[in-house]
Amino acid sequence: IQLTQSPSSLSASVGDRVTITCRASQGFSTALAWYQQKPGKAPKLLIYDASTLESGVPSRFSGSGSGTDFTLTISSLQPEDFATYYCQQFNSYPLTFGGGTKVEIK
Amino acid sequence: QVQLVESGGGVVQPGRSLRLSCAASGFIFSGFSIHWVRQAPGKGLEWVAILSHDGTYNYYVDSVKGRFTISTDNSKNTLYLQMKSLRAEDTAVYHCARSSSWFGYFDSWGQGTLVTVSS
Repeated sequence: IQLTQSPSSLSASVGDRVTITCRASQGFSTALAWYQQKPGKAPKLLIYDASTLESGVPSRFSGSGSGTDFTLTISSLQPEDFATYYCQQFNSYPLTFGGGTKVEIK
Repeated sequence: QVQLVESGGGVVQPGRSLRLSCAASGFIFSGFSIHWVRQAPGKGLEWVAILSHDGTYNYYVDSVKGRFTISTDNSKNTLYLQMKSLRAEDTAVYHCARSSSWFGYFDSWGQGTLVTVSS
């Protein structure tokens, strides 16, 4: 299953609402996760099962979708949120990731 | 707390071999599936291989099948990735990560170990 993220990068300001899209080449239910990665660090799990917030992750992060279209929303962008975000499907093997969305400071 | 610590990376010539290790602590190792995920310099994430929680089942991305072997020593809580016939395109940071099921997401990751394949 190929995952296509859009946009590949975006510039936003602190306090902005940000939405990242992940589109799958074939549909599946909700076996999708979102990760945040900062330079030189390991990815960090944010969302799993498309919309379940991982423990300890701020509530400004939310996920939605099923089938082929999924979204990650950051309701009010904070300085620590500038990073690269990846979606990942765990419906079938090989497990695959989207190409990433880099969120930069405007 | 949960920790995954990779080691064994380095610079290796094309065609040679290398073995990576992933030492786990803070959780019941045999209760989780453990994966290798790699990231080429400046690129995105690529899933590489999985070993099931009981060590019975494994699966690989097509580009490494027949060249990479994933294994475990449960007595040492350590996962290995034996890499043979290395190619320039295998150059990446290799992370180990755990999931609670065969079809799973990665709730803990190691910091990674860099493998550079170059003559």
